[in-house]
Amino acid sequence: NAGVTQTPKFQVLKTGQSMTLQCAQDMNHEYMSWYRQDPGMGLRLIHYSVGAGITDQGEVPNGYNVSRSTTEDFPLRLLSAAPSQTSVYFCASSYLGDYEQYFGPGTRLTVT
Amino acid sequence: AQKVTQAQTEISVVEKEDVTLDCVYETRDTTYYLFWYKQPPSGELVFLIRRNSFDEQNEISGRYSWNFQKSTSSFNFTITASQVVDSAVYFCALRIIQGAQKLVFGQGTRLTINP
Repeated sequence: NAGVTQTPKFQVLKTGQSMTLQCAQDMNHEYMSWYRQDPGMGLRLIHYSVGAGITDQGEVPNGYNVSRSTTEDFPLRLLSAAPSQTSVYFCASSYLGDYEQYFGPGTRLTVT
Repeated sequence: AQKVTQAQTEISVVEKEDVTLDCVYETRDTTYYLFWYKQPPSGELVFLIRRNSFDEQNEISGRYSWNFQKSTSSFNFTITASQVVDSAVYFCALRIIQGAQKLVFGQGTRLTINP
């Protein structure tokens, strides 16, 4: 099992550009989520999904879109990047009702 | 609403010292899970422990131990005889059972172990 994979590992964007952060898992987990990590603030939930076709907002959803067309993939889209979205992004997955979430290695995004 | 507070932003100790990382949480739910994660300099998140709200038994795993006290809403983490490899950012997190499986994280404590 590859676990949870994220691409790219690093990305630099200019303000206003769009991009998609990819997340995939091969554990057949129903639950997938995106967090952002900022200094002094821990990790905060952006969006989550409890299964294909079902997504919902987390704590800090503004500026981000998600979709879940398959169980395996949960991409995070930035439609118009802003410097405030400079952060490290983590994707996580788990079985529904399970205790532990498995985290990907993270994507470090810089918006200039 | 749930909240996790890690009041210690940074801790620096000399190798072989014992160190305790504090975690205080807030929730109105009676059923929940508490977690500790380690984030080494390489950046990944490493799961350390999970504890459910019905189990107040303290846990020891090698040099690591955890003290869960519902009366004070605390879930503290102690490293005994610290080593340089313990240097990392440590996060405490809370998850309630009902609703979305979201984790609420504390701000993190950066632990530096000096040789």
